Amino acid sequence: AQKITQTQPGMFVQEKEAVTLDCTYDTSDPSYGLFWYKQPSSGEMIFLIYQGSYDQQNATEGRYSLNFQKARKSANLVISASQLGDSAMYFCAMRKDTGRRALTFGSGTRLQVQP
Amino acid sequence: NAGVTQTPKFQVLKTGQSMTLQCAQDMNHNSMYWYRQDPGMGLRLIYYSASEGTTDKGEVPNGYNVSRLNKREFSLRLESAAPSQTSVYFCASSEIVQGLFHRTDTQYFGPGTRLTVL
Repeated sequence: AQKITQTQPGMFVQEKEAVTLDCTYDTSDPSYGLFWYKQPSSGEMIFLIYQGSYDQQNATEGRYSLNFQKARKSANLVISASQLGDSAMYFCAMRKDTGRRALTFGSGTRLQVQP
Repeated sequence: NAGVTQTPKFQVLKTGQSMTLQCAQDMNHNSMYWYRQDPGMGLRLIYYSASEGTTDKGEVPNGYNVSRLNKREFSLRLESAAPSQTSVYFCASSEIVQGLFHRTDTQYFGPGTRLTVL
């Protein structure tokens, strides 16, 4: 079974600063994918970034980067130059590459960006 | 190109009533999913469909049925609603893409249906 742990229920960051949201995972599968989604107060789930377990380099998408440490089973999201619009819930998720490809989600981190 | 659409956006039911949540995607994806999100929690898989004509149970399937009507549409039915089914329901779709070294896919979500069962 897969498990995602997000230990930070809430985080505050000043506008224009960088912030790291923690995510650790547990799986026995050798091949898997890790995802981050953003859920603003309007409720939709917005895909941010993906990291494959065999990817040698950390994934980046604009201001988002994923700090992937396979040995530690962590996949932290780094948001650089925070903006007020970054205030939202952030979910880490994973899915294995074989069999059922559904996502297993963590409980989320609420990020609040302060002016 | 609307992506994933869901209807209705809001619904209030009484205990014991039935209803069907509709989901459609226009991205030609093979796989579709139904998740529920309870307050303060991440999403949990109810059912999924790897391709047209196939469905399989997820983590929390009790009290639900699904129909993969065609490649575009995947509906979720509550036969006899219970207060424990009060939740936000998300539909998602994905397609496997063969990359240079391995396959990958990304799930894209609909806007959600907020369901209250009294």
